Amino acid sequence: GAVVSQHPSWVICKSGTSVKIECRSLDFQATTMFWYRQFPKQSLMLMATSNEGSKATYEQGVEKDKFLINHASLTLSTLTVTSAHPEDSSFYICSARKGTSGLEAQYFGPGTRLLVL
Amino acid sequence: AQSVTQLGSHVSVSEGALVLLRCNYSSSVPPYLFWYVQYPNQGLQLLLKYTSAATLVKGINGFEAEFKKSETSFHLTKPSAHMSDAAEYFCAVNGMTGNQFYFGTGTSLTVIP
Repeated sequence: GAVVSQHPSWVICKSGTSVKIECRSLDFQATTMFWYRQFPKQSLMLMATSNEGSKATYEQGVEKDKFLINHASLTLSTLTVTSAHPEDSSFYICSARKGTSGLEAQYFGPGTRLLVL
Repeated sequence: AQSVTQLGSHVSVSEGALVLLRCNYSSSVPPYLFWYVQYPNQGLQLLLKYTSAATLVKGINGFEAEFKKSETSFHLTKPSAHMSDAAEYFCAVNGMTGNQFYFGTGTSLTVIP
């Protein structure tokens, strides 16, 4: 199998606080993990690509100082939303890829719903 | 550059009827193509993938897709819809040397009893 977990599954926080979301590949090692954001009734938008042991690559328009990504090990990547504001409320989904080839599918976590009050 | 277009943001079929969800791709390199399904408030689950082997790809839950280079299409089909198939379906493309998935805008499938 290829199971990816996310924690927490949902979180409510006050404006101005920081929230950390964890993404873990449970039964495989993932050199590359991806973070997506999904608004209601819309497709997934890639935010950043997280590579183990190196800095994340952010998509254009994504604030790297606001969305901090750390890929500390081959099975764990974290996304920290710093000084969250209501407009950051969204569904955040991570994915992990088993290998480095584009041949490999991405395996997605169940998502984390963030609500900033 | 790679991209996919999903025609029809909403598709409704009767239970037992054929399901056809359309996806056309654009890619400057031989594409790898994927179909994912998303149930409400959940992540994406891989249905099937095309990686330049057989052009007809069989996936889970009775779904299959056929890669047609001449039509730049990768439509998803299922002979007989089940109520449990109601979900959002996303087509995605990943270039051979690319690191990204480019998703379509999704097609919401409704199954009418």
